[in-house]
Amino acid sequence: DQQVKQNSPSLSVQEGRISILNCDYTNSMFDYFLWYKKYPAEGPTFLISISSIKDKNEDGRFTVFLNKSAKHLSLHIVPSQPGDSAVYFCAASAYRDDKIIFGKGTRLHILP
Amino acid sequence: DTGVSQDPRHKITKRGQNVTFRCDPISEHNRLYWYRQTLGQGPEFLTYFQNEAQLEKSRLLSDRFSAERPKGSFSTLEIQRTEQGDSAMYLCASSSPNPGTRLAESTYEQYFGPGTRLTVT
Repeated sequence: DQQVKQNSPSLSVQEGRISILNCDYTNSMFDYFLWYKKYPAEGPTFLISISSIKDKNEDGRFTVFLNKSAKHLSLHIVPSQPGDSAVYFCAASAYRDDKIIFGKGTRLHILP
Repeated sequence: DTGVSQDPRHKITKRGQNVTFRCDPISEHNRLYWYRQTLGQGPEFLTYFQNEAQLEKSRLLSDRFSAERPKGSFSTLEIQRTEQGDSAMYLCASSSPNPGTRLAESTYEQYFGPGTRLTVT
């Protein structure tokens, strides 16, 4: 029972263009959403988060959008850079629950 | 380096042996989490501590697994009688949430260590 779903296992984007990674969730109790980036042989690195009281959060080249009615969030990276090539995990947690539920990840390839 | 550290980074063991992993969280963080990640999956929650108290355990944590955080600082995860299915990356994370500002940004993210890769042969 996947509560956080990343339906695209991989994505290839030209350097300089926008990368859009999508995520859907099923648990309506989730109120906090996070994106992590992971390089091989390293632990996940926190990237950006958004709480359910907002629909957008921006940090430099990274913007996360939340659509609560559709139970959907997306991460936009613009412009995409070679160093952005990594696996991106969407994750969520509920207010009274401290564990984070992760999706399976999307591997992003930035093409030269 | 003030990040989360884990030791060892790699462990190869034979089936049936016991293994123990250590995690040192960011020093001011009072919460410590253990996750497990297998190939093609995202990290899966195992257990977490607030200070020295173990507050939640996943059903993934069978009775062969035990975790401790005796002084509220570092934590250990022990797997007894390892099985090939235990082969995975074991990740530790720490956080210092402020419940009063739970819905504010950047108050609840967990910071991960590099992980311990366990291979059971």
